[in-house]
Amino acid sequence: DIVMTQSPDSLAVSLGERATINCKSSQSVLYSSNNKNYLTWYQQKPGQPPKLLIYWASTRESGVPDRFSGSGSGTDFTLTISSLQAEDVAVYYCQQYYTPPLTFGGGTKVEIK
Amino acid sequence: QVQLVQSGAEVKKPGASVKVSCKASGYTFTSYAIHWVRQAPGQRLEWMGWINAGTYNTKYSQKFQGRVTITRDTSANTAYMELSSLRSEDTAVYYCARDGSVTDYPRYLDYWGQGTLVTVSS
Repeated sequence: DIVMTQSPDSLAVSLGERATINCKSSQSVLYSSNNKNYLTWYQQKPGQPPKLLIYWASTRESGVPDRFSGSGSGTDFTLTISSLQAEDVAVYYCQQYYTPPLTFGGGTKVEIK
Repeated sequence: QVQLVQSGAEVKKPGASVKVSCKASGYTFTSYAIHWVRQAPGQRLEWMGWINAGTYNTKYSQKFQGRVTITRDTSANTAYMELSSLRSEDTAVYYCARDGSVTDYPRYLDYWGQGTLVTVSS
């Protein structure tokens, strides 16, 4: 199974400041035939199911604010919140879909400093 | 709008089975696959398996192979997940989620049900 490792486990950021979350896969999730990274990001608020933010590593889901962006390739990926808002307090998860079983990172909790 | 509505919370004894339903609306049920993912207290999300609602193709995580069965009823636009031989470690919130692609391969999950808490306790 592909192991997904996120860092940090938690971070506190001031309102309006940048938040950066890292995700590393134990093997490449870049499919060479189509040059796509099989990596997605979710946001989960307390008591709610996860919400899709980003897929194909950098494609923003419809309706997701443009302060959320995804980058990276191969084994190293980043989710960036360019200007943290109060409603962004949540746990963020990466997930690979390069090969089953689909696997998730351990989550990064984002709080307000 | 796309909605996935799951059945209510369950309390089961060790060794029993549980069957959770997921009723879909707002889209053509057979055009998309449905995943099942669980989240135990304080644990990361864990993928259990997937069913293509159109082709009935299924794929399970090796971890649950032999204990989990995912089915669907197209006449009811509903998917089901049955987990057998329950143990205390199976206590978790179980989610169904729609696959965001229209391929016959598990990808990303674009719409999620509200979750069903399954508690396994003697």
